[in-house]
Formats: sequence, C-alpha cells, structure tokens
Amino acid sequence: DVKVTQSSRYLVKRTGEKVFLECVQDMDHENMFWYRQDPGLGLRLIYFSYDVKMKEKGDIPEGYSVSREKKERFSLILESASTNQTSMYLCASNGSPLSYNSPLHFGNGTRLTVT
Amino acid sequence: DQQVKQNSPSLSVQEGRISILNCDYTNSMFDYFLWYKKYPAEGPTFLISISSIKDKNEDGRFTVFLNKSAKHLSLHIVPSQPGDSAVYFCAASAKNYGQNFVFGPGTRLSVLP
Repeated sequence: DVKVTQSSRYLVKRTGEKVFLECVQDMDHENMFWYRQDPGLGLRLIYFSYDVKMKEKGDIPEGYSVSREKKERFSLILESASTNQTSMYLCASNGSPLSYNSPLHFGNGTRLTVT
Repeated sequence: DQQVKQNSPSLSVQEGRISILNCDYTNSMFDYFLWYKKYPAEGPTFLISISSIKDKNEDGRFTVFLNKSAKHLSLHIVPSQPGDSAVYFCAASAKNYGQNFVFGPGTRLSVLP
C-alpha cells in the first residue's frame, strides 16, 4: 500500500517566517504534487515534480517554491508566510511519468495557520 | 472559472438508501475522471475512476456514470452507510494536460442512521 507521509499535522507560524513542509513517499513514484485545500475551492495545485530536481508550476505557485533533491522527498517552501497562506496543504504522488490516468495517493495533510 | 463543478455543497441521505453525487465539467478535453473521499483531518482517498471510453464503472457499492455529451458524471452509493459520511471530490484530467488533475469544490455527504 502506498504511503505518503507529511512531517507535520499542524503548524502555527508567524507572518514573514520561512516555512518548510516536508513530504515523503515510499512507493518509488516518479511524480509528486503539492495541493492546498480551501473551503468551496476544492484542491488547487501549487507545484508538481516529475523527476528529481524537476519542478513545474501549478495553478497557484505565487508565494511558494519547492525542492526535490531525492526521488522520495518533495518539500514545499513558503518564502515569507502570509495570512492568506493559512490552509490545509496536501502532498500526493503517483506512478510513472505522464501517467495522467494514475490516481493520486495523498498524505494526511498539514494544517498551517499563519498569524 | 471552475472547470469541474459540484453544485451541491452538501447532501443528506438516510442509511440504506441511495446517495447520488453529481459533477459537471466544462473542458471537453478531459478524458479521465476520479472520485475521492475525504474524512476530516485525513487526506483524500481514491474511490473509483472512469475513462472516457466507458460510460459506467462499478466497484462494490460504488458506481460512477459518465455522460460525455452532457459533460456530467455521477457517483452512486448503494446502500449508503453512516461510514460513508465524508466530503467527496470529483476530479478530471486529460492526456494533453500531463499531470494536472483538476478538482471540484467537493460535496459533503451525511448519511443519517
């Protein structure tokens, strides 16, 4: 069974802080994703990566960056946290490249509050 | 402009009855559709999918129907159980869009005992 692990379930940070959200998957998946979930808006894609050191912008990349130094790990970075980045952050992974019909496997999410 | 819409934010159904969750999409390029279920404080879990070459896919109590001409899909849960109470997300993808799965806003299903 695929396991996607997000390092923190809850985080509280102050405005202007640099925030790191970590995600690890154990199924040797090529693709990893970061989404944020907000009420009434569903899940929106921030960034994804289809290979080590490769990254692609999603729909809402502003204010975020990512890092993928190892295949199993994908980090989301908030360079200078702002209150409008308070949200639930979800990491996901799926199989081989261009597998648009391969379901995403999600972690349990990190609820980030920026005060 | 949302490409995947779930127009019912919430739905309540009696235990044992059928739950029908609806999803509409606007982009005719979408050719793969998925349903996810999400409990509070957990990540979404994959339920069932359907390719555009089919109009129905069944897995136990869950059936997804696809009407391509209407750009509409629905998830049927029969019989509904209290453990089915969760938020359900519809998602779509397209071969030409690579990895960009587009999610709807979700429908909260409550199954009443």
